[in-house]
Amino acid sequence: KQEVTQIPAALSVPEGENLVLNCSFTDSAIYNLQWFRQDPGKGLTSLLLIQSSQREQTSGRLNASLDKSSGRSTLYIAASQPGDSATYLCAVRPTDSWGKLQFGAGTQVVVTP
Amino acid sequence: KAGVTQTPRYLIKTRGQQVTLSCSPISGHRSVSWYQQTPGQGLQFLFEYFSETQRNKGNFPGRFSGRQFSNSRSEMNVSTLELGDSALYLCASTAGGEWQTQYFGPGTRLLVL
Repeated sequence: KQEVTQIPAALSVPEGENLVLNCSFTDSAIYNLQWFRQDPGKGLTSLLLIQSSQREQTSGRLNASLDKSSGRSTLYIAASQPGDSATYLCAVRPTDSWGKLQFGAGTQVVVTP
Repeated sequence: KAGVTQTPRYLIKTRGQQVTLSCSPISGHRSVSWYQQTPGQGLQFLFEYFSETQRNKGNFPGRFSGRQFSNSRSEMNVSTLELGDSALYLCASTAGGEWQTQYFGPGTRLLVL
């Protein structure tokens, strides 16, 4: 059974510092891994999608890496800003389950001015 | 392109009632997935529809059901509501391929009293 873990559960950093968020999964049989951002009480905003054959994806200040063999992904956010404060979730798409994303519990990030 | 829309945004029901939630996917998207988000269980997969067919179902009781129409709009229904059904219900759409990004709507907040 696929399990997705995100550590730490919460993180507080001063503005300008780089953020490093970790995601691990137990089964490497995945199509891809997706990182999301969720603001309180809101829906999920897709940040990056990494296909299982890729090693990393970049978008602006965001960079995500994927090591499928070891079951790990890392999301880097450079030069954090107070507007980056949110909960960040990773999710894998298993190959044996149509349309399903398996989510981690998320990392709650606070960037202090 | 307009994003995924969900209606209503907020609902208050009492135990024993039933509720229907609606999701309109991004234009051209044929796959709609539904998720339940609670503080205790996180994000859990309910079911996925593609071209009016349910392709996958999560581990929820039969009180949770759904359907998809020919225009790809989807509804989910919860009958005989329980207090534990209070949650944020999110739907997501993709064009249909397992390698594609899932885009989420803003969610419907259901409170069962």
